[in-house]
Amino acid sequence: NAGVTQTPKFQVLKTGQSMTLQCAQDMNHEYMSWYRQDPGMGLRLIHYSVGAGITDQGEVPNGYNVSRSTTEDFPLRLLSAAPSQTSVYFCASSSHRGRGATEAFFGQGTRLTVV
Amino acid sequence: TQLLEQSPQFLSIQEGENLTVYCNSSSVFSSLQWYRQEPGEGPVLLVTVVTGGEVKKLKRLTFQFGDARKDSSLHITAAQPGDTGLYLCAGDVDSNYQLIWGAGTKLIIKP
Repeated sequence: NAGVTQTPKFQVLKTGQSMTLQCAQDMNHEYMSWYRQDPGMGLRLIHYSVGAGITDQGEVPNGYNVSRSTTEDFPLRLLSAAPSQTSVYFCASSSHRGRGATEAFFGQGTRLTVV
Repeated sequence: TQLLEQSPQFLSIQEGENLTVYCNSSSVFSSLQWYRQEPGEGPVLLVTVVTGGEVKKLKRLTFQFGDARKDSSLHITAAQPGDTGLYLCAGDVDSNYQLIWGAGTKLIIKP
């Protein structure tokens, strides 16, 4: 079972460059999200989507765009990379496991360095 | 602002010892999950607790949800090097898919 697939696993960008982090899930989940993980700060929500065509901002959305044209795919775009965006990025899709309990399934992450 | 505070932030112990990790909040959660993350990987769900006072066991790991559904604990008995990792708790406030995350406990078990 593939679950959540993220690409690339590693990326180095120069300041000002743009790029797209890809995320695909095969579990038919409606809810998908992007997080960044920095040391000592846990997971911070960047953007999320509750279904195809619907996206919204999370806690730290500045400098990032998302779109959701299909249930399966949820790419994250960095518009003009900055050193502050050096981080590990995780895509997740979520299900409700009865009684409304949300459970998240994560990709392997993308380690991004902006120089 | 809803917060989940995890303690300790870091724990390094010898193989065979017992340990407890705590996850506390002033908010009430409809459910709470524990995840384990290994280096270079994404978090993996270990358990979900939904009822106040609920206790779940996963081999040597015991998870408890507080009676008031504001806190949770993870107890590991006879820790092994394979238990090494980052343990994250996440709370579900109103089942709208958005989880509140703790900062994590980095656990190292030395052989």
